[in-house]
Amino acid sequence: EVQLVESGGDLVQPGGSLRLSCAASGFTFSRYWMSWVRQAPGKGLEWVANINQSGSEKYYVDSVKGRFTISRDSAKSSLFLQMNSLRVEDTAVYYCARGRLGIDYWGQGTLVTVSS
Amino acid sequence: DIVMTQTPLSLSVTPGQPASISCKSSQSLLYSDGKTYLYWYQQKPGQSPQLLIYEVSTRFSGVPDRFSGSGSGTDFTLKISRVEAEDVGVYYCMQSIHLPYTFGQGTKLEIK
Repeated sequence: EVQLVESGGDLVQPGGSLRLSCAASGFTFSRYWMSWVRQAPGKGLEWVANINQSGSEKYYVDSVKGRFTISRDSAKSSLFLQMNSLRVEDTAVYYCARGRLGIDYWGQGTLVTVSS
Repeated sequence: DIVMTQTPLSLSVTPGQPASISCKSSQSLLYSDGKTYLYWYQQKPGQSPQLLIYEVSTRFSGVPDRFSGSGSGTDFTLKISRVEAEDVGVYYCMQSIHLPYTFGQGTKLEIK
């Protein structure tokens, strides 16, 4: 059974940093692209970033470029999202998700709240 | 960015009746490999999204056959042949042919 378990969400002040983690199991992590998708409270879904199997290709939505960094550790079947210079508008549930040309599995999400 | 436009934004359906959601993209989602990368997701209250349909019309593992997808190019439709109470939630279409991947606004399905 594919499982994606996010952690690291917290309350942080504007301008602060946070690192999200996603532990993957139930599939061969090293064979898949992985993504982060977020959902602001009461709002729709927004794709944030993805990374290829080796970590050599990374893509971001414009609103987070230069502030967020996606990475992975295939030896530990883990995905990460380093978030710097956080803004109030980054407040959302962040989902770890599997796939590139289509996302098939999602984690349960971790809540990031940016507020003073 | 590709804009995905869903209609309607909300739907109230009597159990046993059909439901239909439209999704239109601002550009063709047909890729050079001949596939069309249009996906449908269901998000039940308090849960994470779950994949229903991939590549326009293929049901994901375990998805009931009352769910079906159709369309091509820029116009797509998700149909539920007979709505059940457990179908309550928000439905999203998503394109994954062009970066950034983009979602429709979501269609909220309620049961009458």
